[in-house]
Order: sequence, then C-alpha cells, then structure tokens
Amino acid sequence: KAGVTQTPRYLIKTRGQQVTLSCSPISGHRSVSWYQQTPGQGLQFLFEYFSETQRNKGNFPGRFSGRQFSNSRSEMNVSTLELGDSALYLCASSLAGPQAKNIQYFGAGTRLSVL
Amino acid sequence: AQRVTQPEKLLSVFKGAPVELKCNYSYSGSPELFWYVQYSRQRLQLLLRHISRESIKGFTADLNKGETSFHLKKPFAQEEDSAMYYCALNDNQGGKLIFGQGTELSVKP
Repeated sequence: KAGVTQTPRYLIKTRGQQVTLSCSPISGHRSVSWYQQTPGQGLQFLFEYFSETQRNKGNFPGRFSGRQFSNSRSEMNVSTLELGDSALYLCASSLAGPQAKNIQYFGAGTRLSVL
Repeated sequence: AQRVTQPEKLLSVFKGAPVELKCNYSYSGSPELFWYVQYSRQRLQLLLRHISRESIKGFTADLNKGETSFHLKKPFAQEEDSAMYYCALNDNQGGKLIFGQGTELSVKP
C-alpha cells in the first residue's frame, strides 16, 4: 500500500505570492491533517479535513486554508506569503471516523522557503 | 489549554545505558498519548500509543494520570535508537495532535 504522498517536495517562493501544497492520503483513509514544522515552534497543527469538511482548526491566520476532495486528497493554500511561513509542511492521514482516535501516518513533507 | 512538554532538547547516552525521555502533558480530560519517532532522513512514524500498552523496539511508556506524564523508557539503548522523539496528545477531537518540542536522543558507541 502506498504511503502518504506530498507534492511538491520543495518550493521556493517570494513574499506576497501564494502557494498550494498537495497531499494524497493512504488509500481508504478519510482524515487528512496538516502540520507546520519549524525549528522555533516545532510541530504545530494547522487543520484537519474529514469527508471534505474541516473538522478541526489550529491557531493560524486566515491566510492558511485548505480543502479536501471526494477522493480524500487534500490541498492547503497559503496566500500573501511571509518570510515566517518558511517551514516544513507535513500532511498526515488516518482511518478516523467521527470522534474516533486513530493512528496518523505522515508524509515526507513539503519544504517551503519564502525569500 | 492542552500542552505537551518535553523538558530535554538533547539526551546523550552510551550504548547499553538505560534511557528515559520525559513527557508531561496538561489536559483536563482523558487524552490519548503517543510517542512518534523520526530517524535521520525518514518521515515521522508512530512508535507507541498508550492505549496499546505494548513494547516496540524495546521501548515502553506508561501513562501516569496522577503526574500527567508519559515517559518513554528503554533499559538498554542501542546506536540505532538515535533519532528525534516526539510526545503527542490527541484531545479526543479527531485528527488533531498536539506535539511536544521533541527530544533528540544520541546513543554513543
């Protein structure tokens, strides 16, 4: 079974631009969560999508958004990029049903550099 | 607010020595606790979850609700245990994990 796939692996953007990151979950997984990883703040939860609906949201500004498609693939978008958005963005998928607690499987991440 | 604290950024031990990576959490309910590990150039992967109460690669972790701790232990460290270890909490709200800052374990020969 293929693991969680994130594309692209690396991105370089300039301030003010926007960016879209993609995540393909493990087949059969319906929940996709996104995390931002930085040396200073560590791993921080961005949001979770389940059945095409945002189920949880972390404490990030509205410039960070996401969506999930009917095949469970997910995208996250960051608009008006700032230097501080430079980070490794991780996607994780799980079998989670409503209110279920399941193991999350992580992708390799997308490394975003904002210049 | 929910929080996970790993007090040590770096833990360095010699091969064969016991290891304990500390994790404390703050949460008013009954959370689910996990340990995730990231080996060099590999993706983050689950090591242990408290609910399963099993030993993986010689590691064990016991949830102590009184002390709100979930420390990771191994009696005899191996060089291949060198990695970044993250303690994480699921606050019963689906796929949201709250991570600690991580502890880098370095096992010297």
